[in-house]
Amino acid sequence: AQSVAQPEDQVNVAEGNPLTVKCTYSVSGNPYLFWYVQYPNRGLQFLLKYITGDNLVKGSYGFEAEFNKSQTSFHLKKPSALVSDSALYFCAVRDRGDSNYQLIWGAGTKLIIKP
Amino acid sequence: GAGVSQSPSNKVTEKGKDVELRCDPISGHTALYWYRQSLGQGLEFLIYFQGNSAPDKSGLPSDRFSAERTGGSVSTLTIQRTQQEDSAVYLCASSFPTRPAAEQYFGPGTRLTVT
Repeated sequence: AQSVAQPEDQVNVAEGNPLTVKCTYSVSGNPYLFWYVQYPNRGLQFLLKYITGDNLVKGSYGFEAEFNKSQTSFHLKKPSALVSDSALYFCAVRDRGDSNYQLIWGAGTKLIIKP
Repeated sequence: GAGVSQSPSNKVTEKGKDVELRCDPISGHTALYWYRQSLGQGLEFLIYFQGNSAPDKSGLPSDRFSAERTGGSVSTLTIQRTQQEDSAVYLCASSFPTRPAAEQYFGPGTRLTVT
């Protein structure tokens, strides 16, 4: 069965420090992987996705994510955190061989950036 | 419009009443999804429409929930005989699913409060 795990309910980082939000996945085939962000009282926004090719994917707002096939991970990273990055982050996966176009969603990680 | 729109943005209803939530997807998007999100929590898949195919209703929590999509565009989620546990934010998303790794675009949500 397909699944996504975000092992941390909450991540606390000081402003200016690097941040990592973890995501691991399980699919039977090769994945498409996504990160979304939800700012307080707003809908979800697409951040970035991995399709194929370079394992390091760059997205909006200075975020990037690294696809690691052997570890089945797709951790979200940013070199220097901003207070405005505080939000709820969701990882999602889809098996590219699956005719069902739905995404499997992680439970979300609350990122808190302290000044 | 440029994005996914949902109405109303907020709905307060009494227990036992019926409610209708509306979603206008991005023009041309053939796939439409409904999710439910409890306060600060993850996404709960409800239902998925793709073109003229039969919808995937596997996520609907009870027979009080139903949804329709007219003309392949606007969708309405109906909750009959609302219960307090139905209180949540209901999110709608649309996408071009036949594009490789098509991301979902989300509306701002409808916050439903059942008193």
